[in-house]
Amino acid sequence: EVQLVESGGGLVQPGRSMKLSCAASGFTFSNYGMAWVRQAPTKGLEWVATISYDGSSTYYRDSVKGRFTISRDNAKSTLYLQMNSLRSEDTATYYCTMGLFDYWGQGVMVTVSS
Amino acid sequence: DIVLTQSPVLAVSLGQRATISCRASQSVSISSINLMHWYQQKPGQQPKLLIYRASNLASGIPARFSGSGSGTDFTLTIDPVQADDIAAYYCQQSRESLTFGSGTKLEIK
Repeated sequence: EVQLVESGGGLVQPGRSMKLSCAASGFTFSNYGMAWVRQAPTKGLEWVATISYDGSSTYYRDSVKGRFTISRDNAKSTLYLQMNSLRSEDTATYYCTMGLFDYWGQGVMVTVSS
Repeated sequence: DIVLTQSPVLAVSLGQRATISCRASQSVSISSINLMHWYQQKPGQQPKLLIYRASNLASGIPARFSGSGSGTDFTLTIDPVQADDIAAYYCQQSRESLTFGSGTKLEIK
């Protein structure tokens, strides 16, 4: 059974940094691209970033380019999202997803507020 | 970016057919491949893949769910609707970057 478990969220001040992690199990992690998708409170879904199966290629939505970095450790079956220079508009539940959103984790809340 | 437009709310009676539409601002099809996908999100839960490439049922999804469409117009059909289907439904395209529709909330009449 595919399992994706996010961690690392919480309350952070504007301009500060936070790193999210996603522990994957139940599939061969190193064979799949992975992505982060977020959902602001009471809003819809928004793709954030994607990384290829081997980490050689990464893609970002414009609003996070230069601030967020997606990465992975295939030896640990773990996906990461480093978020710098956080803004209030980054407040959302962040979901870790496998492949082209085939499976989703339960999500982790990130609140950017002073 | 390709914009996907969905109606905010759809109300149907239990046992009836629900038809949820999604219109793209430009074609999301390449040759015969329709790069449109559908997700279900129940209250307080993460989204779940229902349909991929417009008409293919994802693993474990009941046959009451089906998808159709091509080019710019796509449809998710639930027939018959059950109480457990109360959720928000999102379309998503992968033709150019990755964008989601704003979602349709399915309500029971």
